[in-house]
Amino acid sequence: DGGITQSPKYLFRKEGQNVTLSCEQNLNHDAMYWYRQDPGQGLRLIYYSQIVNDFQKGDIAEGYSVSREKKESFPLTVTSAQKNPTAFYLCASSIGRGETQYFGPGTRLLVL
Amino acid sequence: AQSVTQPDIHITVSEGASLELRCNYSYGATPYLFWYVQSPGQGLQLLLKYFSGDTLVQGIKGFEAEFKRSQSSFNLRKPSVHWSDAAEYFCAVVYSSASKIIFGSGTRLSIRP
Repeated sequence: DGGITQSPKYLFRKEGQNVTLSCEQNLNHDAMYWYRQDPGQGLRLIYYSQIVNDFQKGDIAEGYSVSREKKESFPLTVTSAQKNPTAFYLCASSIGRGETQYFGPGTRLLVL
Repeated sequence: AQSVTQPDIHITVSEGASLELRCNYSYGATPYLFWYVQSPGQGLQLLLKYFSGDTLVQGIKGFEAEFKRSQSSFNLRKPSVHWSDAAEYFCAVVYSSASKIIFGSGTRLSIRP
């Protein structure tokens, strides 16, 4: 089955700790995205990548970092600089930017 | 500024009743338009999309949407809702190819038994 997987489903972060959220796709899509979702605020774009080894900041990139070393993978690191990381994080991919996006099941990040 | 508006934050309808969720976009040439559905704690699932052609688009789960250029709208409809339709619904717009997708803030749908 083709699709997007995200792991873990739940993640707990301690103060001052960096954590990494995984996103993998086997749809052969070039573009991948990370969104943050808070209650009542819809989706906000954190980072996106249109091709391997290239990525751009979205609307709320501060406190986050990404890498795109492989076409299939687009991990997101939530750094200690992100002071309010508690949220639901969604990864998506598309054939190209502006095309239909397909979403993973999400990771909920909680702070201990 | 480019934007998409879903004016209804929360809607409650009775099971078996018809449904219409509103979506308006801000301006411009014909955009690409999408409706997604999200169940609690899940990712977004694509219901339907409009790129060009017939302005009435059929989607999955019995949903349809109509693009009305004169009203800058892309409202989602279903003739008879089921309890399993309770979820959050997001309208989204891409204003030109290779540009970013803009999501509305969502409409939460509750179903009255």
